[in-house]
Amino acid sequence: DGGITQSPKYLFRKEGQNVTLSCEQNLNHDAMYWYRQDPGQGLRLIYYSQIVNDFQKGDIAEGYSVSREKKESFPLTVTSAQKNPTAFYLCASSMSVNTGELFFGEGSRLTVL
Amino acid sequence: GQQLNQSPQSMFIQEGEDVSMNCTSSSIFNTWLWYKQDPGEGPVLLIALYKAGELTSNGRLTAQFGITRKDSFLNISASIPSDVGIYFCAGQTFDMRFGAGTRLTVKP
Repeated sequence: DGGITQSPKYLFRKEGQNVTLSCEQNLNHDAMYWYRQDPGQGLRLIYYSQIVNDFQKGDIAEGYSVSREKKESFPLTVTSAQKNPTAFYLCASSMSVNTGELFFGEGSRLTVL
Repeated sequence: GQQLNQSPQSMFIQEGEDVSMNCTSSSIFNTWLWYKQDPGEGPVLLIALYKAGELTSNGRLTAQFGITRKDSFLNISASIPSDVGIYFCAGQTFDMRFGAGTRLTVKP
């Protein structure tokens, strides 16, 4: 079945450690996104990518990094520079940046101990 | 940046009741979308609206794109227990902005 797969679903990290969240899609979509979700808040954009080997910062990119070496994959690294990394992270894709219809993965919940 | 104000923040209703929620913005959007998120899952698209004044239905759900392009509403008729979840509005011009969500609880 076509869709977006995020892993791991749950992740625990010690302060000072980097962690990478995986996002894979088989929808043949050009655009991919990472959002952060905190309780009571809307989704906030971390990074997005319109095409392979290209990505742009969103509203809250500080302390995060991404890569887009393959069309299907858009991993997110939460670095030790991110001051408050505990959150629910959502990956999404769309046919292109301006289509508006995002398809989301099931999310990854990161807890920093 | 563009801000979306979604209300109400939460709703507690009886099964069978109708539900209404809305989103407003100080900026105009070219597209309005409504998503539903079940606990621990990613949001799923319910309805997409592309034209000012457009009224679109999807089963028991009806959504409208405001004529000013600065607002949208979502109605759910005859609610059922599986309607429970968080409903997000989203507006897009160049990038997509999300409301803070409406948490819906349906009591059987």
